Amino acid sequence: KAGVTQTPRYLIKTRGQQVTLSCSPISGHRSVSWYQQTPGQGLQFLFEYFSETQRNKGNFPGRFSGRQFSNSRSEMNVSTLELGDSALYLCASSWGQYNTQDTQYFGPGTRLTVL
Amino acid sequence: SQKIEQNSEALNIQEGKTATLTCNYTNYSPAYLQWYRQDPGRGPVFLLLIRENEKEKRKERLKVTFDTTLKQSLFHITASQPADSATYLCALDKDGNNRKLIWGLGTSLAVNP
Repeated sequence: KAGVTQTPRYLIKTRGQQVTLSCSPISGHRSVSWYQQTPGQGLQFLFEYFSETQRNKGNFPGRFSGRQFSNSRSEMNVSTLELGDSALYLCASSWGQYNTQDTQYFGPGTRLTVL
Repeated sequence: SQKIEQNSEALNIQEGKTATLTCNYTNYSPAYLQWYRQDPGRGPVFLLLIRENEKEKRKERLKVTFDTTLKQSLFHITASQPADSATYLCALDKDGNNRKLIWGLGTSLAVNP
């Protein structure tokens, strides 16, 4: 079974631009969660999508948004990029059950650098 | 707010020895605590989960303990191998629904042959 894939793997943008990251979950998984990982803050939860609906949201500004398509693929968008948005963006897929047995499988991440 | 602390310094041990990593947390007690492994250029991989009413959990060469009085979890790798070299992350699950986890910064482990 193919794992979680994320594209692109690396991205360089300048301040003020916007960016869209893509995540393809494991086949059959309906939940996709997005995380930001930085050396100083670690992994921070952005949001989760399940069946095309945002089900959970972290504490990030509205510049961070996402969506999920009917095939469970998800995109994350960051508008008006700031230097502090430089990070590794990870997505994780799971079946979507609200219990601890529902293991999240992470993709390799997209390394975003904002200049 | 909830805070998690893991050994910030890298841990270097000799092959065959037991590696012990620490995860301390403050404020409220989580329902569950999870450990993940992350290799360079890859996302975290789930290893073990321990519930607040469990003292210890084992999986092959891995052992996790959970002391809710000390607000601490210890992660042990016995008979360590160079392939165990990675960053290990702990994550707290306050609600038990495996969402909105609170993560530590991770501890880097290097097992020397």
